[in-house]
Amino acid sequence: DQQVKQNSPSLSVQEGRISILNCDYTNSMFDYFLWYKKYPAEGPTFLISISSIKDKNEDGRFTVFLNKSAKHLSLHIVPSQPGDSAVYFCAASASLSAGNMLTFGGGTRLMVKP
Amino acid sequence: DSGVTQTPKHLITATGQRVTLRCSPRSGDLSVYWYQQSLDQGLQFLIQYYNGEERAKGNILERFSAQQFPDLHSELNLSSLELGDSALYFCASSASQGTRNTLHFGNGTRLTVT
Repeated sequence: DQQVKQNSPSLSVQEGRISILNCDYTNSMFDYFLWYKKYPAEGPTFLISISSIKDKNEDGRFTVFLNKSAKHLSLHIVPSQPGDSAVYFCAASASLSAGNMLTFGGGTRLMVKP
Repeated sequence: DSGVTQTPKHLITATGQRVTLRCSPRSGDLSVYWYQQSLDQGLQFLIQYYNGEERAKGNILERFSAQQFPDLHSELNLSSLELGDSALYFCASSASQGTRNTLHFGNGTRLTVT
């Protein structure tokens, strides 16, 4: 049973426009959410995170929104740049679980066209 | 550069064989995590070690085992390999085991079982 789902395997956006990547989760114990970006032949790199006590976190061009009642989060990239083309993974963790392991979604491949 | 080093980068072996993947965490990080990514899917958590002790276990097969040594490097041992074990294996590290610690990933080891 996938606890974190990214239902769009790919997304294509024009340079300068907004990219919106979506993520749904089922485990109500999750209280911390992260987005990672992955380029080919590299490991995932941390992008932005949000705690369940917030509904929005912003860092430059990247904003993450959390809707706890809907168990949904989204990543907004504005404006999108060709260098943003990568696979984006949504991840979640639960403070009451052992360790600090992250549960990942399947990823969304973002393509930003010049 | 995340500071997490994984060796080897690529590994090709035959079914039934045994391999060892190695990970050196970022300097100062005490937690090491192993993840498996198969066929452009999400990252599946395998196992976590904290300061030499197993901390959490995910969907790790009995044919797989891991350990973290006193110098904090970790090894993932995969035995009786099957074709389905072909995947990218990522190691990540974090400073401690609290849920607000960001995981830093290495560039992975690509295992091909023929």
